[in-house]
Amino acid sequence: DQQVKQNSPSLSVQEGRISILNCDYTNSMFDYFLWYKKYPAEGPTFLISISSIKDKNEDGRFTVFLNKSAKHLSLHIVPSQPGDSAVYFCAAISGTYKYIFGTGTRLKVLA
Amino acid sequence: GAGVSQSPRYKVTKRGQDVTLRCDPISSHATLYWYQQALGQGPEFLTYFNYEAQPDKSGLPSDRFSAERPEGSISTLTIQRTEQRDSAMYRCASSLAGTFGELFFGEGSRLTVL
Repeated sequence: DQQVKQNSPSLSVQEGRISILNCDYTNSMFDYFLWYKKYPAEGPTFLISISSIKDKNEDGRFTVFLNKSAKHLSLHIVPSQPGDSAVYFCAAISGTYKYIFGTGTRLKVLA
Repeated sequence: GAGVSQSPRYKVTKRGQDVTLRCDPISSHATLYWYQQALGQGPEFLTYFNYEAQPDKSGLPSDRFSAERPEGSISTLTIQRTEQRDSAMYRCASSLAGTFGELFFGEGSRLTVL
């Protein structure tokens, strides 16, 4: 039973446009969500997070939106740059130390 | 250290052999995690440590898997009698204790069981 789902395995976006990566979850007890970015041959690196008491968190070109009623979060990247091409994982945690990761979405930003 | 360091980066072994993977976390981080990542999947939780305590090992797939962190710093993950299905990337991550926040991942150890 996958508690965190990323239904789009891949996404291609033109440079300068908006990239929207989506993530759905099933456990309403999750209270903190994170996005990680992973380049080939490297470990995932933290990108941005959001607490369940908020619905939006912004950091430069990256914004995460949380819709608790829909159990859905999304990561917006504006404007997209070729260096953003990577695999993006969403993760969730529910008051324990067990971070649950999605399967990832591969973003390709076309120059 | 400055970042999370894992060794070996690559390990090829024959079915039935034991392997030990090592993780050296960021020195100020009390919490250490082990994850298993199959190709095309996200990291899956195996176990974690708070200093030397191991409160949750529910993700370990079988009793062939064990982890230690005897002095609350470096950790090892041992897989006994390896099987082909154990082939995966094994990722270690660390974080500050008692906080929700980012995990810092190492580059991983890729295990191939022939």
